[in-house]
Amino acid sequence: AQTVTQSQPEMSVQEAETVTLSCTYDTSENNYYLFWYKQPPSRQMILVIRQEAYKQQNATENRFSVNFQKAAKSFSLKISDSQLGDTAMYFCAFMKPHTGTASKLTFGTGTRLQVTL
Amino acid sequence: EPEVTQTPSHQVTQMGQEVILRCVPISNHLYFYWYRQILGQKVEFLVSFYNNEISEKSEIFDDQFSVERPDGSNFTLKIRSTKLEDSAMYFCASRATGTYEQYFGPGTRLTVT
Repeated sequence: AQTVTQSQPEMSVQEAETVTLSCTYDTSENNYYLFWYKQPPSRQMILVIRQEAYKQQNATENRFSVNFQKAAKSFSLKISDSQLGDTAMYFCAFMKPHTGTASKLTFGTGTRLQVTL
Repeated sequence: EPEVTQTPSHQVTQMGQEVILRCVPISNHLYFYWYRQILGQKVEFLVSFYNNEISEKSEIFDDQFSVERPDGSNFTLKIRSTKLEDSAMYFCASRATGTYEQYFGPGTRLTVT
């Protein structure tokens, strides 16, 4: 079974600064997907960014980028120019795709990010 | 932009009662999921559904739980006899064929008293 570990329960960053959230995972699979989801106080789960394991290039989405190290099984999220609206719980998630069937997400325990003035 | 919707947003029920949580997935999506999140904990997978049948279920999804797609738009989660430990946020998610992003609804907060 796959496991996802987020070793930072809480982090804080000042507005306009850059912060990196860590995620490691354990799998014997070669083909899989990794995601970062954001959960603000409203508790809605919002997809932030996606990475396919077969792609060496790190995914970017505006101020959000990842550092994907497949050999090290590491998938960190970098938030640049942090904004107050980035304050949220961030979950790392793993998915092994199964053709023709639904594929579940396995989540880490989350990192609570506080952006301060 | 299309989105997953869930009703009700908050449900309070007494232990032993049946509850039905409702979800309307994004209209062209064919894969459906239920997850739950006990307060302060991580999001846990309950069940996945495709082609009118369960694809996978977790050990949490025991005989007290069932899912149904009663028509072309709704996807429901039923808990037959609720327990105190069923109190949690329940999220529905869906995804389209050929993609792997799952889009989540806003959740239903279930409180069992």
